[in-house]
Amino acid sequence: NAGVTQTPKFQVLKTGQSMTLQCAQDMNHEYMSWYRQDPGMGLRLIHYSVGAGITDQGEVPNGYNVSRSTTEDFPLRLLSAAPSQTSVYFCASGLGTGSDEQYFGPGTRLTVT
Amino acid sequence: GESVGLHLPTLSVQEGDNSIINCAYSNSASDYFIWYKQESGKGPQFIIDIRSNMDKRQGQRVTVLLNKTVKHLSLQIAATQPGDSAVYFCADNTGGFKTIFGAGTRLFVKA
Repeated sequence: NAGVTQTPKFQVLKTGQSMTLQCAQDMNHEYMSWYRQDPGMGLRLIHYSVGAGITDQGEVPNGYNVSRSTTEDFPLRLLSAAPSQTSVYFCASGLGTGSDEQYFGPGTRLTVT
Repeated sequence: GESVGLHLPTLSVQEGDNSIINCAYSNSASDYFIWYKQESGKGPQFIIDIRSNMDKRQGQRVTVLLNKTVKHLSLQIAATQPGDSAVYFCADNTGGFKTIFGAGTRLFVKA
């Protein structure tokens, strides 16, 4: 199993540009989530999904959209990038509803200039 | 509101000694707690978890203690090794869909 994969690993955007961060898992997990990690801080939940077609907001959802058309994929969209969105983004998946162990991807480092 | 925090941002221990990393939480409804390890440039990795109906759980070289009275949990690492150097996060969940992470403690292991 590849586990949780994320692409790209690094990305630089200009303010106002849009892009999609990709996340895929091959463990047949129903639960998937997106976190952002700022320097010296913990992870903050952006959006999560408990199954295909079901998504909901986390702690810091503003400026981000998600969709879940398949069990495997959970892309994160930045509609109009802002410097405040400079961060490392982690995707994770888990068997349960979020109250279980989560498996994290390697992260995407995003810089918005 | 809910918060999961750590007492110390960094911890330095001698190789072979035991490490204790502490964490405080404020949400009395939290019923599931997890410790994650994050090495430089990688995503967090699950270490051990504990449910609120337990006060102690042991894994391989790690033990998590939960004190619900004072809303405190700790991660103990026995015989700390250089490979244990990382940032350690505690996280909690109220049994719902959101897991909330603390800020992390960076563990340095001195040879």
